[in-house]
Amino acid sequence: IAGITQAPTSQILAAGRRMTLRCTQDMRHNAMYWYRQDLGLGLRLIHYSNTAGTTGKGEVPDGYSVSRANTDDFPLTLASAVPSQTSVYFCASSAGTSDTDTQYFGPGTRLTVL
Amino acid sequence: GQNIDQPTEMTATEGAIVQINCTYQTSGFNGLFWYQQHAGEAPTFLSYNVLDGLEEKGRFSSFLSRSKGYSYLLLKELQMKDSASYLCAVRDSNYQLIWGAGTKLIIKP
Repeated sequence: IAGITQAPTSQILAAGRRMTLRCTQDMRHNAMYWYRQDLGLGLRLIHYSNTAGTTGKGEVPDGYSVSRANTDDFPLTLASAVPSQTSVYFCASSAGTSDTDTQYFGPGTRLTVL
Repeated sequence: GQNIDQPTEMTATEGAIVQINCTYQTSGFNGLFWYQQHAGEAPTFLSYNVLDGLEEKGRFSSFLSRSKGYSYLLLKELQMKDSASYLCAVRDSNYQLIWGAGTKLIIKP
């Protein structure tokens, strides 16, 4: 059982380029999330999806878009990357069916925008 | 606004006990989580509190006081592998997690 996988592991990107970060989970979880983690700051929610076919905006959605065509996949797209989007990006998922509703994280993608 | 406060860094000795505090001010409260994150890795779930009191899980315990907006994570019999960042997160009225910046715990022999 892989849990949650993310690709790529790391990427260096020129400003202005388009980039899609991939996230796949095999736990049949309903909910999925995208966070960014920057030094000295807590994890910040970018976008989320409570179930396939629906998405919502988190705390820092500007410059990012997501889609949730099926249960397993939740790609994050940067339409035109800017240096301030340099960060570590984590995808997470949760069952969405229990009071605890623990989130489980993928290994992360380290993105550098030059 | 919503705010989660944790100490930035703490140092402790192998075999000792350490308490990591977390205070929060959020719009609503639907549970508090502690996660462990080793450098360069993903956060992993440690504990969940939704009612006041202490939850014990092996060497780790977590305490919650909702009236004080306060939690702590207690780590006993510290081991070198416990060197990591510890993240406190509160689930707010929208059922979204609000995260603290994390406490980096350094364990010395």
